[in-house]
Amino acid sequence: GQSLEQPSEVTAVEGAIVQINCTYQTSGFYGLSWYQQHDGGAPTFLSYNALDGLEETGRFSSFLSRSDSYGYLLLQELQMKDSASYFCEDYGNNRLAFGKGNQVVVIP
Amino acid sequence: DAGVIQSPRHEVTEMGQEVTLRCKPISGHNSLFWYRQTMMRGLELLIYFNNNVPIDDSGMPEDRFSAKMPNASFSTLKIQPSEPRDSAVYFCASRSGTSGSGELFFGEGSRLTVL
Repeated sequence: GQSLEQPSEVTAVEGAIVQINCTYQTSGFYGLSWYQQHDGGAPTFLSYNALDGLEETGRFSSFLSRSDSYGYLLLQELQMKDSASYFCEDYGNNRLAFGKGNQVVVIP
Repeated sequence: DAGVIQSPRHEVTEMGQEVTLRCKPISGHNSLFWYRQTMMRGLELLIYFNNNVPIDDSGMPEDRFSAKMPNASFSTLKIQPSEPRDSAVYFCASRSGTSGSGELFFGEGSRLTVL
């Protein structure tokens, strides 16, 4: 079987930088996707890494290292609206991160 | 496109009743997923279909749960009989097989409360 492990909660102030890590142990791996979910809402797609390295999309960046079975999402210049849960997904096995994902709480 | 459409948005029912949740994926998407989300267990994949065929139903909790996809534009998730522990938000999502990123598009969810 597979598992995607993420720490549970991070609290940070506006303007700060937060890194959310994701490790996986899986076969049939294609790439790593990241999703954001606000309370009461549906998950929405943020980014995807198929190759090793950093992908930048505005304030958010995502990184993948296949050799380490590891990736991270970097949230920069945090804003209050970034308070949400963040999930990584192993695209190839169609499974979002187990458990609660990683909740980010942004405080003034 | 209107996105993934789920119904009902909210349902309250009594234990033992049958519950049917419905999903219309985005036109042209060939993969459809059913997820369940609770505070305790987070977001769990229940089952997914490729080209209307169930591929992996290992996440379906037990025989009380069943899912069908009779055509490319419609799927149902049925719980019979329902139990209080089935209370959760159920999300349907779809994906295009030609998407390089594999982006999943989620519906707004069906919030189920079983009393």
